[in-house]
Amino acid sequence: AQSVTQLDSHVSVSEGTPVLLRCNYSSSYSPSLFWYVQHPNKGLQLLLKYTSAATLVKGINGFEAEFKKSETSFHLTKPSAHMSDAAEYFCVVTPFSGGYNKLIFGAGTRLAVHP
Amino acid sequence: KAGVTQTPRYLIKTRGQQVTLSCSPISGHRSVSWYQQTPGQGLQFLFEYFSETQRNKGNFPGRFSGRQFSNSRSEMNVSTLELGDSALYLCASSPAGATNEKLFFGSGTQLSVL
Repeated sequence: AQSVTQLDSHVSVSEGTPVLLRCNYSSSYSPSLFWYVQHPNKGLQLLLKYTSAATLVKGINGFEAEFKKSETSFHLTKPSAHMSDAAEYFCVVTPFSGGYNKLIFGAGTRLAVHP
Repeated sequence: KAGVTQTPRYLIKTRGQQVTLSCSPISGHRSVSWYQQTPGQGLQFLFEYFSETQRNKGNFPGRFSGRQFSNSRSEMNVSTLELGDSALYLCASSPAGATNEKLFFGSGTQLSVL
Protein backbone atom coordinates (compact mmCIF):
# COMPACT_ATOMS: atom_id res chain seq x y z
CA ALA A 1 0.00 0.00 0.00
CA GLN A 2 1.10 3.53 -0.68
CA SER A 3 1.58 6.20 1.97
CA VAL A 4 3.36 9.50 2.51
CA THR A 5 4.92 10.97 5.63
CA GLN A 6 5.51 14.67 5.95
CA LEU A 7 8.28 15.02 8.44
CA ASP A 8 7.41 18.49 9.75
CA SER A 9 3.97 19.68 10.78
CA HIS A 10 5.13 23.32 10.97
CA VAL A 11 7.98 25.15 9.26
CA SER A 12 8.81 28.80 9.87
CA VAL A 13 11.16 30.82 7.66
CA SER A 14 12.05 34.43 7.10
CA GLU A 15 11.13 36.13 3.84
CA GLY A 16 13.93 35.73 1.32
CA THR A 17 15.39 32.58 2.89
CA PRO A 18 15.17 29.06 1.42
CA VAL A 19 12.23 26.75 2.03
CA LEU A 20 12.52 22.99 2.57
CA LEU A 21 9.42 20.86 3.18
CA ARG A 22 10.21 17.19 3.65
CA CYS A 23 8.23 14.21 2.40
CA ASN A 24 8.99 10.49 2.45
CA TYR A 25 6.84 8.00 0.59
CA SER A 26 6.17 4.31 0.75
CA SER A 27 5.16 2.45 -2.37
CA SER A 28 5.52 -1.03 -3.79
CA TYR A 29 5.71 0.41 -7.28
CA SER A 30 7.16 3.48 -8.91
CA PRO A 31 4.71 6.06 -7.61
CA SER A 32 3.14 9.20 -8.95
CA LEU A 33 3.87 11.97 -6.47
CA PHE A 34 2.45 15.46 -6.13
CA TRP A 35 2.68 18.54 -4.00
CA TYR A 36 -0.51 20.54 -3.44
CA VAL A 37 -0.88 23.86 -1.62
CA GLN A 38 -3.90 25.11 0.31
CA HIS A 39 -4.26 28.77 1.17
CA PRO A 40 -6.73 29.74 3.92
CA ASN A 41 -10.36 29.42 2.85
CA LYS A 42 -9.35 28.21 -0.58
CA GLY A 43 -9.27 24.90 -2.34
CA LEU A 44 -6.16 22.90 -3.10
CA GLN A 45 -3.89 23.86 -5.96
CA LEU A 46 -1.35 21.64 -7.69
CA LEU A 47 2.23 22.88 -7.32
CA LEU A 48 3.99 20.12 -9.21
CA LYS A 49 3.90 16.43 -10.02
CA TYR A 50 6.40 13.62 -10.58
CA THR A 51 5.55 10.91 -13.08
CA SER A 52 8.99 9.33 -13.77
CA ALA A 53 9.93 11.56 -16.70
CA ALA A 54 12.56 13.50 -14.72
CA THR A 55 13.72 13.30 -11.13
CA LEU A 56 13.89 17.09 -10.67
CA VAL A 57 10.46 18.57 -11.13
CA LYS A 58 9.79 22.27 -11.48
CA GLY A 59 6.45 23.67 -10.43
CA ILE A 60 4.65 26.95 -10.17
CA ASN A 61 5.74 29.96 -8.13
CA GLY A 62 9.40 28.93 -8.09
CA PHE A 63 8.92 25.64 -6.25
CA GLU A 64 10.68 22.45 -7.24
CA ALA A 65 11.01 18.93 -5.87
CA GLU A 66 13.50 16.13 -6.35
CA PHE A 67 12.49 12.48 -6.49
CA LYS A 68 15.12 10.31 -4.77
CA LYS A 69 14.27 6.64 -5.06
CA SER A 70 17.19 5.51 -2.87
CA GLU A 71 15.92 7.70 -0.05
CA THR A 72 12.20 7.32 -0.88
CA SER A 73 11.94 11.08 -0.61
CA PHE A 74 10.24 13.87 -2.53
CA HIS A 75 11.20 17.06 -0.73
CA LEU A 76 9.82 20.43 -1.82
CA THR A 77 12.15 23.41 -2.04
CA LYS A 78 12.16 27.07 -2.99
CA PRO A 79 15.27 29.25 -3.04
CA SER A 80 13.66 32.36 -1.60
CA ALA A 81 10.44 32.48 0.42
CA HIS A 82 7.80 35.12 -0.20
CA MET A 83 5.11 36.24 2.21
CA SER A 84 2.47 34.87 -0.18
CA ASP A 85 3.94 31.35 0.25
CA ALA A 86 2.43 31.09 3.73
CA ALA A 87 -0.03 28.20 3.43
CA GLU A 88 -0.43 24.49 4.11
CA TYR A 89 1.41 22.10 1.82
CA PHE A 90 0.47 18.49 1.16
CA CYS A 91 2.60 15.73 -0.26
CA VAL A 92 0.43 13.28 -2.19
CA VAL A 93 0.81 9.81 -3.73
CA THR A 94 -1.53 7.94 -6.03
CA PRO A 95 -1.90 4.18 -6.46
CA PHE A 96 0.09 2.55 -9.24
CA SER A 97 -2.97 1.70 -11.27
CA GLY A 98 -6.69 1.88 -11.00
CA GLY A 99 -6.38 4.75 -8.63
CA TYR A 100 -8.67 7.00 -10.58
CA ASN A 101 -7.80 10.11 -8.62
CA LYS A 102 -7.77 8.36 -5.27
CA LEU A 103 -5.16 10.67 -3.83
CA ILE A 104 -3.43 9.68 -0.60
CA PHE A 105 -2.49 12.81 1.31
CA GLY A 106 0.19 13.40 3.87
CA ALA A 107 -0.77 15.14 7.10
CA GLY A 108 0.37 18.51 5.76
CA THR A 109 3.06 21.04 6.63
CA ARG A 110 2.02 24.53 7.63
CA LEU A 111 4.53 27.06 6.32
CA ALA A 112 4.84 30.41 8.06
CA VAL A 113 6.84 33.21 6.46
CA HIS A 114 8.02 36.07 8.65
CA PRO A 115 9.11 39.51 7.43
CA LYS B 1 -13.53 29.15 -17.84
CA ALA B 2 -15.32 28.75 -14.54
CA GLY B 3 -13.65 26.67 -11.85
CA VAL B 4 -15.11 23.93 -9.70
CA THR B 5 -18.15 25.24 -7.88
CA GLN B 6 -19.36 23.81 -4.61
CA THR B 7 -22.61 24.76 -2.91
CA PRO B 8 -23.43 25.67 -0.29
CA ARG B 9 -20.27 27.18 1.16
CA TYR B 10 -21.39 26.64 4.75
CA LEU B 11 -23.92 24.31 6.34
CA ILE B 12 -25.06 23.81 9.91
CA LYS B 13 -27.01 20.68 10.75
CA THR B 14 -27.95 18.74 13.86
CA ARG B 15 -27.23 15.13 14.68
CA GLY B 16 -29.50 12.66 12.95
CA GLN B 17 -30.30 14.91 10.02
CA GLN B 18 -29.16 14.30 6.49
CA VAL B 19 -27.38 16.66 4.13
CA THR B 20 -26.74 16.97 0.40
CA LEU B 21 -23.73 18.79 -1.02
CA SER B 22 -23.38 19.81 -4.63
CA CYS B 23 -20.42 20.07 -6.97
CA SER B 24 -20.27 21.45 -10.51
CA PRO B 25 -17.03 20.47 -12.27
CA ILE B 26 -15.13 22.47 -14.82
CA SER B 27 -16.84 22.33 -18.18
CA GLY B 28 -15.69 19.26 -20.11
CA HIS B 29 -14.42 17.41 -17.06
CA ARG B 30 -16.02 14.02 -16.62
CA SER B 31 -14.39 12.85 -13.39
CA VAL B 32 -15.50 14.16 -10.02
CA SER B 33 -14.00 13.03 -6.73
CA TRP B 34 -14.83 13.94 -3.14
CA TYR B 35 -12.58 14.36 -0.12
CA GLN B 36 -13.21 14.98 3.56
CA GLN B 37 -10.82 17.26 5.45
CA THR B 38 -10.73 17.30 9.26
CA PRO B 39 -8.07 18.54 11.71
CA GLY B 40 -7.69 15.06 13.18
CA GLN B 41 -7.79 12.80 10.12
CA GLY B 42 -6.53 15.20 7.48
CA LEU B 43 -7.65 14.75 3.88
CA GLN B 44 -9.35 11.47 3.09
CA PHE B 45 -10.76 10.16 -0.18
CA LEU B 46 -14.49 9.51 -0.21
CA PHE B 47 -15.33 8.40 -3.77
CA GLU B 48 -14.84 9.14 -7.44
CA TYR B 49 -17.35 9.23 -10.28
CA PHE B 50 -16.85 9.09 -14.00
CA SER B 51 -19.66 9.13 -16.54
CA GLU B 52 -22.24 8.61 -13.82
CA THR B 53 -20.48 5.53 -12.45
CA GLN B 54 -18.70 5.21 -9.13
CA ARG B 55 -15.23 3.86 -9.95
CA ASN B 56 -13.53 4.05 -6.60
CA LYS B 57 -14.57 4.33 -2.98
CA GLY B 58 -12.74 5.17 0.22
CA ASN B 59 -13.19 3.67 3.66
CA PHE B 60 -16.27 5.48 4.82
CA PRO B 61 -19.53 4.04 6.18
CA GLY B 62 -22.55 3.56 3.97
CA ARG B 63 -24.09 6.75 5.37
CA PHE B 64 -21.88 8.53 2.84
CA SER B 65 -23.13 8.22 -0.69
CA GLY B 66 -22.90 10.09 -3.93
CA ARG B 67 -24.05 10.26 -7.48
CA GLN B 68 -23.18 11.92 -10.74
CA PHE B 69 -25.55 13.27 -13.33
CA SER B 70 -25.31 13.17 -17.12
CA ASN B 71 -23.94 16.74 -17.15
CA SER B 72 -21.11 15.57 -14.80
CA ARG B 73 -22.45 17.52 -11.83
CA SER B 74 -22.19 15.51 -8.65
CA GLU B 75 -23.87 15.38 -5.29
CA MET B 76 -22.86 13.68 -2.11
CA ASN B 77 -25.24 12.78 0.66
CA VAL B 78 -24.61 12.06 4.30
CA SER B 79 -27.47 10.49 6.23
CA THR B 80 -27.95 10.26 10.00
CA LEU B 81 -25.34 12.89 10.68
CA GLU B 82 -22.89 12.43 13.55
CA LEU B 83 -20.77 15.04 15.32
CA GLY B 84 -17.69 13.51 13.73
CA ASP B 85 -19.00 14.33 10.27
CA SER B 86 -18.17 17.98 10.86
CA ALA B 87 -15.56 18.72 8.21
CA LEU B 88 -14.63 20.58 5.08
CA TYR B 89 -15.84 18.56 2.09
CA LEU B 90 -13.84 19.16 -1.05
CA CYS B 91 -14.80 18.28 -4.57
CA ALA B 92 -12.28 17.94 -7.38
CA SER B 93 -12.66 17.47 -11.10
CA SER B 94 -10.43 16.34 -13.94
CA PRO B 95 -10.95 15.53 -17.61
CA ALA B 96 -10.79 11.75 -17.44
CA GLY B 97 -9.81 10.79 -13.92
CA ALA B 98 -6.53 9.16 -14.96
CA THR B 99 -4.05 8.46 -12.18
CA ASN B 100 -1.58 11.17 -13.17
CA GLU B 101 -4.07 13.85 -14.03
CA LYS B 102 -4.07 17.24 -12.37
CA LEU B 103 -7.08 17.73 -10.14
CA PHE B 104 -8.89 21.02 -9.87
CA PHE B 105 -10.41 21.57 -6.44
CA GLY B 106 -13.36 23.65 -5.36
CA SER B 107 -13.26 25.82 -2.25
CA GLY B 108 -15.28 23.26 -0.32
CA THR B 109 -18.39 23.07 1.79
CA GLN B 110 -17.84 23.56 5.51
CA LEU B 111 -20.28 21.29 7.36
CA SER B 112 -20.88 21.76 11.07
CA VAL B 113 -22.93 19.15 12.93
CA LEU B 114 -24.32 20.28 16.29
